[in-house]
Amino acid sequence: DAGVTQSPTHLIKTRGQQVTLRCSPKSGHDTVSWYQQALGQGPQFIFQYYEEEERQRGNFPDRFSGHQFPNYSSELNVNALLLGDSALYLCASSFTRQETQYFGPGTRLLVL
Amino acid sequence: GQSLEQPSEVTAVEGAIVQINCTYQTSGFYGLSWYQQHDGGAPTFLSYNALDGLEETGRFSSFLSRSDSYGYLLLQELQMKDSASYFCAVILPRWGNTPLVFGKGTRLSVIA
Repeated sequence: DAGVTQSPTHLIKTRGQQVTLRCSPKSGHDTVSWYQQALGQGPQFIFQYYEEEERQRGNFPDRFSGHQFPNYSSELNVNALLLGDSALYLCASSFTRQETQYFGPGTRLLVL
Repeated sequence: GQSLEQPSEVTAVEGAIVQINCTYQTSGFYGLSWYQQHDGGAPTFLSYNALDGLEETGRFSSFLSRSDSYGYLLLQELQMKDSASYFCAVILPRWGNTPLVFGKGTRLSVIA
């Protein structure tokens, strides 16, 4: 049973560029949440997708957008990258109305 | 708003018991989860408390007191591999799968 997978593992971009991160949820899970984790901090909630719609959103600007596909996989897009967007981006999957979320290994983004 | 407080660092001896506390102030509360994260790794789910009391899973136990807005994670028979960051995370009462609000984490160092 595959767990949550994310790609790529590492990414280097320059300011102003755009990036797309991908996530495949754990088998049987239908909900995907994205988190940003800065160095030395706890993960911060970006948004959550269920039934291909954004259901909840944290305190992140519109530069952060996402998508969920019919197979429940998801993408996180960040436009007009800033230096402060450098972080570990984590995807977590869960099944509807269950509290436990399972995290993927993350994508480490460096913006130069 | 939401805030969670946990100690930034804890050091304990191999074989000993350590308790990591977490106090929270949130607008609404559904439950408290604990996650372990090794350096460079993803957060791994440890436990979840929705009701007051103690939940035990092997060497790890978690406690919740809703009236005191307080919880703790107890690690027994410490092993070197337990050296990691530990995060408490509040689950808020929203639709479906609720996003997690994380504390800043406690870095546990287990020494010989």
